Amino acid sequence: DTGVSQDPRHKITKRGQNVTFRCDPISEHNRLYWYRQTLGQGPEFLTYFQNEAQLEKSRLLSDRFSAERPKGSFSTLEIQRTEQGDSAMYLCASSRRTGVDEQYFGPGTRLTVT
Amino acid sequence: AQTVTQSQPEMSVQEAETVTLSCTYDTSESDYYLFWYKQPPSRQMILVIRQEAYKQQNATENRFSVNFQKAAKSFSLKISDSQLGDAAMYFCAYRFSIPVSMIYNQGGKLIFGQGTELSVKP
Repeated sequence: DTGVSQDPRHKITKRGQNVTFRCDPISEHNRLYWYRQTLGQGPEFLTYFQNEAQLEKSRLLSDRFSAERPKGSFSTLEIQRTEQGDSAMYLCASSRRTGVDEQYFGPGTRLTVT
Repeated sequence: AQTVTQSQPEMSVQEAETVTLSCTYDTSESDYYLFWYKQPPSRQMILVIRQEAYKQQNATENRFSVNFQKAAKSFSLKISDSQLGDAAMYFCAYRFSIPVSMIYNQGGKLIFGQGTELSVKP
């Protein structure tokens, strides 16, 4: 069990640029979640996958955001035409859909839009 | 809509002492889960303790215990014998139970409170 990993850990980009983040869940976990956390706040749900299917999206996920999970393994979150308001920590979590379905979090990707 | 409120932005405790962090939530469901997560500075979030709403007995994990008051929709975390390593942001979180999440066609997303920053004084 190597845990949830995220890449990159930090990203600085200029407004208007596109960015892509990657999340590798725990290998046997079939559920994967993306959250966004701004400074001093709790994480907010963005979207979740069960295997390769994206089953729920928050209204926070504007048209500039897209997430994929090809083959039900790793996932990517892309933000197009970044805005300063996109600056946040993007957290990924995974779980195995049994029992309490406990979520294990990755270290996050901190995005700074200048 | 379900909401989670943590009314204490910051708390402080002396090493070896006991501290209680407060959390209230709002839901119309009777079956759900509650969690406390710990987020140390620049480190990833880890689960501290969880409570299934159908269980009347309060959950306990070593020095961590909860006071779950279902009627009052209150879920506080007690940390006994506080240690320097307990210093972190603590988040209270709510999620639907799996059967309820299927009814609403939702997954197991967590709804978090705003967090309480705990400092531990040596």
